[in-house]
Amino acid sequence: DAGVTQSPTHLIKTRGQQVTLRCSPISGHKSVSWYQQVLGQGPQFIFQYYEKEERGRGNFPDRFSARQFPNYSSELNVNALLLGDSALYLCASSLPRTADYNEQFFGPGTRLTVL
Amino acid sequence: DQQVKQNSPSLSVQEGRISILNCDYTNSMFDYFLWYKKYPAEGPTFLISISSIKDKNEDGRFTVFLNKSAKHLSLHIVPSQPGDSAVYFCAASYTNAGKSTFGDGTTLTVKP
Repeated sequence: DAGVTQSPTHLIKTRGQQVTLRCSPISGHKSVSWYQQVLGQGPQFIFQYYEKEERGRGNFPDRFSARQFPNYSSELNVNALLLGDSALYLCASSLPRTADYNEQFFGPGTRLTVL
Repeated sequence: DQQVKQNSPSLSVQEGRISILNCDYTNSMFDYFLWYKKYPAEGPTFLISISSIKDKNEDGRFTVFLNKSAKHLSLHIVPSQPGDSAVYFCAASYTNAGKSTFGDGTTLTVKP
């Protein structure tokens, strides 16, 4: 079975631009979460979506938005990019209402560089 | 305010010896704890977890210990192998939340 996939792998943008990152969860997984990982730090929670509804939001500005589609894939959008948005963006999926719901399966991430 | 802390950025051990990675948390409402392993250019991979109703969970060479009163958990790897060399993240969550708060990681190096 395919794992969590993310696209693109790498992305270079300039300040002020907008970016869209994409994620496809493991087949059957209905919950998708997004994390930002800055170099030297652990992943920081941005959003969680389940059944196309936002279930949680971390401490990130409104420039960050996301959505989940009927096939459970998800997009993360970041507007008005700042240098500090340079990071690895991780998508994770999980299967709600199972004993191991808290166990998340991560994709390889999208490396965003803002110049 | 960092709710999950891994105070040792790095740890080096000899192959065959025990590796002990530590993690502290401040939020007493967390009731589910996980360890993830991360290799370069890959996303974190789930390793082992423990519910707050337990104080120990074992899976092969990996054992996680939870001390709720001290708000402390540790991951023991016995015996350590060179392939265990990676960054290890401690994470805390609420049961059935489907999302976690992560520490900043400990880089483990196992020397042959």
